[in-house]
Amino acid sequence: EVQLVESGGGLVQPGGSLRLSCAASGFTFSSSAMGWVRQAPGKGLEWVSVISGSGDKIHSADSAKGRLTISRDNSKNTLYLQMNNMKADDTAMYYCAKDLTNGWSNWFDPWGQGTLVTVSS
Amino acid sequence: EIVLTQSPATLSSSPGERATLSCRASQSIDISLGWYQQKPGQAPRLLIYDAFKRATGIPARFSGSGSGTDFTLTIGSLEPEDFAVYYCQQRSSWPLTFGGGTKVEIK
Repeated sequence: EVQLVESGGGLVQPGGSLRLSCAASGFTFSSSAMGWVRQAPGKGLEWVSVISGSGDKIHSADSAKGRLTISRDNSKNTLYLQMNNMKADDTAMYYCAKDLTNGWSNWFDPWGQGTLVTVSS
Repeated sequence: EIVLTQSPATLSSSPGERATLSCRASQSIDISLGWYQQKPGQAPRLLIYDAFKRATGIPARFSGSGSGTDFTLTIGSLEPEDFAVYYCQQRSSWPLTFGGGTKVEIK
């Protein structure tokens, strides 16, 4: 069974940094693209970033470029999101998600349970 | 950026009724559209991808149709567990985008 467990969320001040982690199990992690999607409180879904299975290709939303950086460590079966110079608009539940396929399709299934990030002074 | 517009924002229906949700793309996306279901306090779940393909384990009462700019998610007969928020997503071009969602609530 595929399992995705996010961690690393919490309260951070504006301008601060945070690193989210997503521990994956139950599938060949290095084969599958992975992504981050966020959801502000009471709002809809916003795609953040996606990374290829090998980690050599990344696509990110404009809102993420330069501040939110996706990466992965295939030896640890872990996906990361490094968040720098954080803003109030980054306040959201952050979900990691596996690509539907053992490749890269840009369909996300399944998703982790999410980790909540709050940016506030 | 491709904008996805979902309608209606809220759909009030009763168990057993048929529900029809719409997603319109700002430009043609062929069949590069998926649908997700999200229940309160839970992560989203993929229902439909490539416009009409059901994801693993999704009941047959969920069906998707459409191509180009107009897409539909149909729930054939609403079960109590189907009352949730539904989002469409396109993968035709970067950035990936989601629609604003349709909440299916109990009438």
